Amino acid sequence: GQSLEQPSEVTAVEGAIVQINCTYQTSGFYGLSWYQQHDGGAPTFLSYNALDGLEETGRFSSFLSRSDSYGYLLLQELQMKDSASYFCAVQNQAGTALIFGKGTTLSVSS
Amino acid sequence: KAGVTQTPRYLIKTRGQQVTLSCSPISGHRSVSWYQQTPGQGLQFLFEYFSETQRNKGNFPGRFSGRQFSNSRSEMNVSTLELGDSALYLCASSLDGLGRTNEKLFFGSGTQLSVL
Repeated sequence: GQSLEQPSEVTAVEGAIVQINCTYQTSGFYGLSWYQQHDGGAPTFLSYNALDGLEETGRFSSFLSRSDSYGYLLLQELQMKDSASYFCAVQNQAGTALIFGKGTTLSVSS
Repeated sequence: KAGVTQTPRYLIKTRGQQVTLSCSPISGHRSVSWYQQTPGQGLQFLFEYFSETQRNKGNFPGRFSGRQFSNSRSEMNVSTLELGDSALYLCASSLDGLGRTNEKLFFGSGTQLSVL
């Protein structure tokens, strides 16, 4: 089967850096995705890592280590609007669906 | 380009009833998948449709079903509703489905179903 583990909650202050970790177990790995969901909103795609290493997109970066079945999302220069839930996800064995972690709620305070 | 549209936004039903939810994908997208989101379980995959065919199904009872029309619009149906079916039902579309690429899913804002 497939499963993902990520912390349930993280708190930080504006301007800080926060790292959300994700460990996964899967048979047949394609890549690790990250999605952001604000309260009452739709999940939106943030990043995808298929290969080991760091991918940077503005204030957000995502890292993958395939050998450790581990990845993280790094958010820099935190802003209040970054308060949201963040989900890591892997594809199922057939590659046709995403299996999501239970999500990490990030609260950013001033 | 319009995003993924789900209707209705909110729905209240009683146990034993059935419900139909609708999803219009982004124009040109042929794959539509459905997810159930609950506070305790996160997002769980229900099924995925591509060109009117169900390609993959998650681990949900047969009371949950779906279909896709020739214009890629999709509906999901839940029969004999139970209290535990109360959840946010999310629809997501993509061009051709995830496959082995980094194709991303575009989600709608969901239908919040409450079963009383």
